[in-house]
Amino acid sequence: DVKVTQSSRYLVKRTGEKVFLECVQDMDHENMFWYRQDPGLGLRLIYFSYDVKMKEKGDIPEGYSVSREKKERFSLILESASTNQTSMYLCASSLYSSGSPKEQFFGPGTRLTVL
Amino acid sequence: AQSVTQLDSHVSVSEGTPVLLRCNYSSSYSPSLFWYVQHPNKGLQLLLKYTSAATLVKGINGFEAEFKKSETSFHLTKPSAHMSDAAEYFCVVSPFFSGGYNKLIFGAGTRLAVHP
Repeated sequence: DVKVTQSSRYLVKRTGEKVFLECVQDMDHENMFWYRQDPGLGLRLIYFSYDVKMKEKGDIPEGYSVSREKKERFSLILESASTNQTSMYLCASSLYSSGSPKEQFFGPGTRLTVL
Repeated sequence: AQSVTQLDSHVSVSEGTPVLLRCNYSSSYSPSLFWYVQHPNKGLQLLLKYTSAATLVKGINGFEAEFKKSETSFHLTKPSAHMSDAAEYFCVVSPFFSGGYNKLIFGAGTRLAVHP
């Protein structure tokens, strides 16, 4: 089974703190993604990566950065956490897509609260 | 620009009755379409996907969806609801990318409640 794991299920941080969210996949997928999920808004793409050290901005990258030093690991960084970044964060991975889109496999999510 | 509209934020059905979750999409290209399900405190799971083959797509757990280009719709149905179907469902469109990675655009979600 494809497995995508996220380092924490719940996280509470203070405003201004630097926050690291880690994601690991075990299926040798080329593509990895970070989303945030908010009620009534569905999932919105923050950043994605299609190869080691490669990254692309998604729809809402402001206030976030990412790091992909190894193929299996994709980190989301909140440089200075703010209360409006309180949300559920979901990581996903997929195979390289040469034609039709490939299924994305999701982790269980990290619920981040910024106080 | 591509977008997805889920027409109902909440749907409530009785166990054993049909389920209909409605989705309309907008896409400049011939899209790929997906339905994902999210059970409480769990990650998203793929239910089914349409990628320009048969217009009626069968998925897991008895769900199916029909792609109707003329109506730009991709509604999700199930003949008989089960209590375990209670979850949030997301309709998703993926515009075609040639770069090897596909971006997913999610609808706002429909929460399905199933009553005994």
